[in-house]
Amino acid sequence: DAGVIQSPRHEVTEMGQEVTLRCKPISGHDYLFWYRQTMMRGLELLIYFNNNVPIDDSGMPEDRFSAKMPNASFSTLKIQPSEPRDSAVYFCASSKGQVNSPLHFGNGTRLTVT
Amino acid sequence: AQSVAQPEDQVNVAEGNPLTVKCTYSVSGNPYLFWYVQYPNRGLQFLLKYITGDNLVKGSYGFEAEFNKSQTSFHLKKPSALVSDSALYFCAVRGMGNTDKLIFGTGTRLQVFP
Repeated sequence: DAGVIQSPRHEVTEMGQEVTLRCKPISGHDYLFWYRQTMMRGLELLIYFNNNVPIDDSGMPEDRFSAKMPNASFSTLKIQPSEPRDSAVYFCASSKGQVNSPLHFGNGTRLTVT
Repeated sequence: AQSVAQPEDQVNVAEGNPLTVKCTYSVSGNPYLFWYVQYPNRGLQFLLKYITGDNLVKGSYGFEAEFNKSQTSFHLKKPSALVSDSALYFCAVRGMGNTDKLIFGTGTRLQVFP
């Protein structure tokens, strides 16, 4: 079990550029979550998918953010255009079932927007 | 609405001494409760969970947590702290409703001194 794999680990970009974060969940897991972690706001749920279908995107900050899950083994979180306030660590997590199943987190992508 | 509170930003304890990291929650009905640990530059790792049954739950690395329904608390404990336990600890709660989401606390930094 390779765990949840996120890429890149670090991303530095200039304001206005498009940023794409990638996630490969654990095989067999049917839920996928995108979280953002900052010192000011802690850990925020952005969006989650069940069987590749977005279920709740109420945490997505604004229209600049979008997420897709084209198949069970891949998801992307895109920010276009990026802004300095988007700087944070973005985590992807997956679980088998949701209600009482623990989440398995990737090691995150540290995004810096200058 | 669901909420979870970790009243201490940091807990300091000497190696070998018992440790407690506090967590209180608010949820309609019965809760699902979790503890996660985060080491530097890593994603969160699952420690233990309470779903139902015994109020004392045992988890990874010698940690345990006690569910107290009357006090709506789920404090994390360990009888003898190790320097390697130093990390950021998150409590999380989820209600039993189908639309309920997992809500994380703001985290408590545990520092174990030699």
